Amino acid sequence: GDSVTQMEGPVTLSEEAFLTINCTYTATGYPSLFWYVQYPGEGLQLLLKATKADDKGSNKGFEATYRKETTSFHLEKGSVQVSDSAVYFCALKGSGNTPLVFGKGTRLSVIA
Amino acid sequence: ETGVTQSPTHLIKTRGQQVTLRCSSQSGHNTVSWYQQALGQGPQFIFQYYREEENGRGNFPPRFSGLQFPNYSSELNVNALELDDSALYLCASGLTTETQYFGPGTRLLVL
Repeated sequence: GDSVTQMEGPVTLSEEAFLTINCTYTATGYPSLFWYVQYPGEGLQLLLKATKADDKGSNKGFEATYRKETTSFHLEKGSVQVSDSAVYFCALKGSGNTPLVFGKGTRLSVIA
Repeated sequence: ETGVTQSPTHLIKTRGQQVTLRCSSQSGHNTVSWYQQALGQGPQFIFQYYREEENGRGNFPPRFSGLQFPNYSSELNVNALELDDSALYLCASGLTTETQYFGPGTRLLVL
């Protein structure tokens, strides 16, 4: 079945450092890809998404590009802030009524 | 703010008991899904409803059941609670299944 693998955390960075969180997927067909963020004690918020190959999703300085050839959707941000500390989930969704399939999450801690 | 609310926020139950969790979606959100998120894990799909009919189910036993109501609210019922049912339960709704908005979750502890 469909699956998502993302780099294990925790990831600890200093403020203004560059962030990459790797995500690869296995899926039949052409899924949509998502990054969700979960702040402490809260539910999931959609951060960005891409629905077809070579699409780039972006939001709040974060971006990720749908790479079909490498089945990847890595999350990047050029300069992280303390407020970016959260757990980040990569997810995919196949066509039709299929549900979201999530990775295990990567905890990011940004220190001042 | 996603417009999706869940109640209660926290709940403690004992093994064997039954629990009902509630979700209120935005008006017009015909699709609602429920996910279980164990500590340190990603959310796992439980089931999905579209216009009050279940139209998808994950790998969860029948003691997990649900309802969706015409007023865009929904319920997750779990019978015969087990210790492993301790988790954060997330409700997600949307106009379609493509983009879903998550509620803040209900944290269930089974003792």
